[in-house]
Amino acid sequence: DAGVIQSPRHEVTEMGQEVTLRCKPISGHNSLFWYRQTMMRGLELLIYFNNNVPIDDSGMPEDRFSAKMPNASFSTLKIQPSEPRDSAVYFCASSWTGNDNQPQHFGDGTRLSIL
Amino acid sequence: LAKTTQPISMDSYEGQEVNITCSHNNIATNDYITWYQQFPSQGPRFIIQGYKTKVTNEVASLFIPADRKSSTLSLPRVSLSDTAVYYCLVGGTGRRALTFGSGTRLQVQP
Repeated sequence: DAGVIQSPRHEVTEMGQEVTLRCKPISGHNSLFWYRQTMMRGLELLIYFNNNVPIDDSGMPEDRFSAKMPNASFSTLKIQPSEPRDSAVYFCASSWTGNDNQPQHFGDGTRLSIL
Repeated sequence: LAKTTQPISMDSYEGQEVNITCSHNNIATNDYITWYQQFPSQGPRFIIQGYKTKVTNEVASLFIPADRKSSTLSLPRVSLSDTAVYYCLVGGTGRRALTFGSGTRLQVQP
């Protein structure tokens, strides 16, 4: 079975540019999560969706960040305008949330560098 | 949020058993304990999950005492490929269950 697929794997762009990260969750999963990982702050939850609806976006750092899930098989995380401090590895994960505590399945991440 | 405390790092040798303990004094009645493993340049990978007593799968065992204020991940006979960061998460639903701490960096030597 295909796992969580993220694209691109690497992105290098100049500050001020718009960045769009993409995620395809595992088929049949109904929850999707976006995380950011840096050396300083570790792995931080940015936002998560359940049945395509954003449930908790309290981790989104500021208005420059936005996330959408137009359907069950696709999500985007957008940064506009991007800044050097946004450089990090961004992970997408999905799970089946019918009962509690189902484990998350992570993609391999997008390594983002803002120059 | 359910706060967890783990050792920052551990060292071991191939073939040894490794036990990583996580403290979670404010665990709630409905909280589960979940462990993930992360290799460099990869996303975290689920290892094991439990509620009480002992859980074992093909990769690891999880020991949880009666008071559930701590848990121990046990990796039998580690190999070099077990070198990774191990995270303990505690929670039921929502953000409580989705907070990764600093993790434990396990280094396995030949």
